[in-house]
Amino acid sequence: GEEVAQTPKHLVRGEGQKAKLYCAPIKGHSYVFWYQQVLKNEFKFLISFQNENVFDETGMPKERFSAKCLPNSPCSLEIQATKLEDSAVYFCASSRDRDGETQYFGPGTRLLVL
Amino acid sequence: GNSVTQMEGPVTLSEEAFLTINCTYTATGYPSLFWYVQYPGEGLQLLLKATKADDKGSNKGFEATYRKETTSFHLEKGSVQVSDSAVYFCALITQGGSEKLVFGKGTKLTVNP
Repeated sequence: GEEVAQTPKHLVRGEGQKAKLYCAPIKGHSYVFWYQQVLKNEFKFLISFQNENVFDETGMPKERFSAKCLPNSPCSLEIQATKLEDSAVYFCASSRDRDGETQYFGPGTRLLVL
Repeated sequence: GNSVTQMEGPVTLSEEAFLTINCTYTATGYPSLFWYVQYPGEGLQLLLKATKADDKGSNKGFEATYRKETTSFHLEKGSVQVSDSAVYFCALITQGGSEKLVFGKGTKLTVNP
């Protein structure tokens, strides 16, 4: 598609439950990025993919977060055993190539952990 | 490491006023620089970008010039409109690096009629 699509738009989970978020990048884009936007607008990089391969995972809290980008499927970000501090808006972005290429963002998934 | 510092605001202006939002950066390597805008309840939209020194990015009346000597990328608009009310983020990507965007903390702009 012409835009980055993210589902669901909103997600509510009780503490300890699993949350799974999905992202369909723009067709033809090779790179996918996940960012977390917390209170006061701060963005935190989580993970990036080059096609189905992890490109950079230095931002991922590995004990509870995992992500995949499989061929012919939306990319996914999964949080096992959510905590209150996971409440945030999760944005997916995609870019055609590397070396400073523009990243195009989806509308985000707002996760609320109660 | 790489970082972006931008004026925190909030900034409140009257319609048709001149806007400047300051942004400076620290980067290892040679970054590409971006301004993104986030309207209430929406995702990030690219506003403009510049990829090398002295480049000027422009869009919708907004401009920013990549100044390597002062490591700055200030956003300007000559005459703001109510519809420009949003949060503006300065960001960089270091070319040849991890490709992740490094964002400033955002500046909330409110334009009153």
